[in-house]
Amino acid sequence: NAGVMQNPRHLVRRRGQEARLRCSPVKGHSHVYWYRQLPEEGLKFMVYLQKENIIDESGMPKERFSAEFPKEGPSILRIQQVVRGDSAAYFCASSPRLAGGPYNEQFFGPGTRLTVL
Amino acid sequence: KQEVTQIPAALSVPEGENLVLNCSFTDSAIYNLQWFRQDPGKGLTSLLLIQSSQREQTSGRLNASLDKSSGRSTLYIAASQPGDSATYLCAVCNQNFVFGPGTRLSVLP
Repeated sequence: NAGVMQNPRHLVRRRGQEARLRCSPVKGHSHVYWYRQLPEEGLKFMVYLQKENIIDESGMPKERFSAEFPKEGPSILRIQQVVRGDSAAYFCASSPRLAGGPYNEQFFGPGTRLTVL
Repeated sequence: KQEVTQIPAALSVPEGENLVLNCSFTDSAIYNLQWFRQDPGKGLTSLLLIQSSQREQTSGRLNASLDKSSGRSTLYIAASQPGDSATYLCAVCNQNFVFGPGTRLSVLP
């Protein structure tokens, strides 16, 4: 299966702990997007990354959240000192690199469901 | 700021009916529009992608149209089946991808 992979699929953390969510894009895709879906709400854009660069983090909370997409390895969404309000499904998507611009069709992973106790 | 709305929020139809889902967006300067389905507790599956220069795309029983100037897209599902029951999301792309809240579809056998 060459699709987007996310792990873990389910993650339980206690308040104050750190959560690390991983995303491996479709092979050959160099663009990764992270979204958050709160219960009974739509998907909200968080951050857009290319290899080793953050392109757009306008949807990312200013504190406790960070994201990276290193040259080698998966993209990581890191949430420090989690609170109950961070409980949500976090989805990663990737898109291929095209000469015409970075934005293109997105392919989604299965998501990581974070529960903060 | 781009805003995307979807009507109706929920829809319940008997099997076999043809149906239309609507998506509206406020900023017509988009690169493309993409329709997805999401099953409960699952990720998103891409259904159709319409580039800004296109007016429609078809895949099997699905047909999506795009009227960029009026900021609207419709997803037409022909001969609906219980397996079509899911939440349908549209997403528009300009500076980044903005999703609508979705239409929750139930097709009753």
